[in-house]
Amino acid sequence: EAQVTQNPRYLITVTGKKLTVTCSQNMNHEYMSWYRQDPGLGLRQIYYSMNVEVTDKGDVPEGYKVSRKEKRNFPLILESPSPNQTSLYFCASRYQGVGQPQHFGDGTRLSIL
Amino acid sequence: RKEVEQDPGPFNVPEGATVAFNCTYSNSASQSFFWYRQDCRKEPKLLMSVYSSGNEDGRFTAQLNRASQYISLLIRDSKLSDSATYLCVVNTGSGNTGKLIFGQGTTLQVKP
Repeated sequence: EAQVTQNPRYLITVTGKKLTVTCSQNMNHEYMSWYRQDPGLGLRQIYYSMNVEVTDKGDVPEGYKVSRKEKRNFPLILESPSPNQTSLYFCASRYQGVGQPQHFGDGTRLSIL
Repeated sequence: RKEVEQDPGPFNVPEGATVAFNCTYSNSASQSFFWYRQDCRKEPKLLMSVYSSGNEDGRFTAQLNRASQYISLLIRDSKLSDSATYLCVVNTGSGNTGKLIFGQGTTLQVKP
C-alpha cells in the first residue's frame, strides 16, 4: 500500500530535550516536505527536499533541522525543543512536477512542556 | 495579502443543500490547483485537482478562473459525511519545481 509513515504519532516531552520525528514514504517520490499546522494559521512549510541530499528552508524553519540521506526518509529534528514548537506536524511527499498532488502522513502531535 | 485566501466559515448547511466555496490566489504565475479535504485532527487528503476547463467528480465540481485568480468548489446534495475542512492549494512554481501554498481552509458542517 502506498503511504507516508510518520513516527511517533504523539509525543509529550520537555524543553531542550532533542527529538526526531521520522518520515518514510514507499512511493519513490522525489519531493518531501514537513509542515506544521496551528489553529488560525493553517499549514506552514518548515523544510522541503527536492531529492537526496537536496534540502531547503520553507516558511518557518527556525528551530528545526532535516536531512535526506536516502530517497525514502526525511526525518525532522528538533535539537532543543521549546514550547512554541507545540503543534501538529505533517510529513508529505509527491513526484516532481507542477501538477503532482501531495500525499500526507497521519500527523504527529507534539507537546513541548 | 495572503497568497491563498479562503473564507474560514464555518458554513452550516442542511443535508441535501448545495454549497460553494471560493478561494483566491495572488500569484498570477500559479500553475496548478487542488482541493484537499481535512477531517478534524487528521491528515489532509486530495479531493480533486482543478483543471482549466473545470472538472466534476460525482457531487463535486471544481472551477478555475485565471483572469480573476480564483478557484471554486461546488458540493451538490451535501451529506453529513461531507462535514470537514476544505483546503484550497495552489502550486506557485514552474517547470519541475513548485511550492504548494495552502489556504487556511473553509469549515463545512452539514446538519441533519
